[in-house]
Amino acid sequence: GQQLNQSPQSMFIQEGEDVSMNCTSSSIFNTWLWYKQDPGEGPVLLIALYKAGELTSNGRLTAQFGITRKDSFLNISASIPSDVGIYFCAGQVATDSSYKLIFGSGTRLLVRP
Amino acid sequence: DGGITQSPKYLFRKEGQNVTLSCEQNLNHDAMYWYRQDPGQGLRLIYYSQIVNDFQKGDIAEGYSVSREKKESFPLTVTSAQKNPTAFYLCASSSGQASNYGYTFGSGTRLTVV
Repeated sequence: GQQLNQSPQSMFIQEGEDVSMNCTSSSIFNTWLWYKQDPGEGPVLLIALYKAGELTSNGRLTAQFGITRKDSFLNISASIPSDVGIYFCAGQVATDSSYKLIFGSGTRLLVRP
Repeated sequence: DGGITQSPKYLFRKEGQNVTLSCEQNLNHDAMYWYRQDPGQGLRLIYYSQIVNDFQKGDIAEGYSVSREKKESFPLTVTSAQKNPTAFYLCASSSGQASNYGYTFGSGTRLTVV
């Protein structure tokens, strides 16, 4: 089945540092999404990407939809303690009558003040 | 405000008992999903439903059951056949169309078997 390979699995960084994480797949996706999950909560959508090559920013977050449609990256600039959480990438695939998301395994981010 | 509500937040179950987790949404979404998350792990799909009175197995459906009698509700029952039920359970919903918004998640239910 379709799988997303997300890396790194975890990161422990100093406050103020920039962060980069990515997802790759052998399959093509039409939409890439990035979610953040705070401890003990459900994931919340950060950024959605709809076109190959698209680069989108949301505050300190920047994400890109790879030109081959098989990969995406998320960058966080000048990290702060509240960036702590698990970041998931997700690719959208069509089903018979609808669509569903395939999720990466997550990148756990810890920020040292 | 529209949203998706899971209850309870924490649930304890004795071994051998069935337990039902609630998920309600008022977003008028057609599709609903249940995921399981183990510590330090990603999201694994248990069941999903794209329309009322219809649902499909996900990747780890064994030991679970669902129903979709109403558009707003998609309860998950963890049966005694589920050998390792302790986990964080997430419910999500979507419009069911290739939209701009992906899934909307609930805040989760943490199930512990005692």
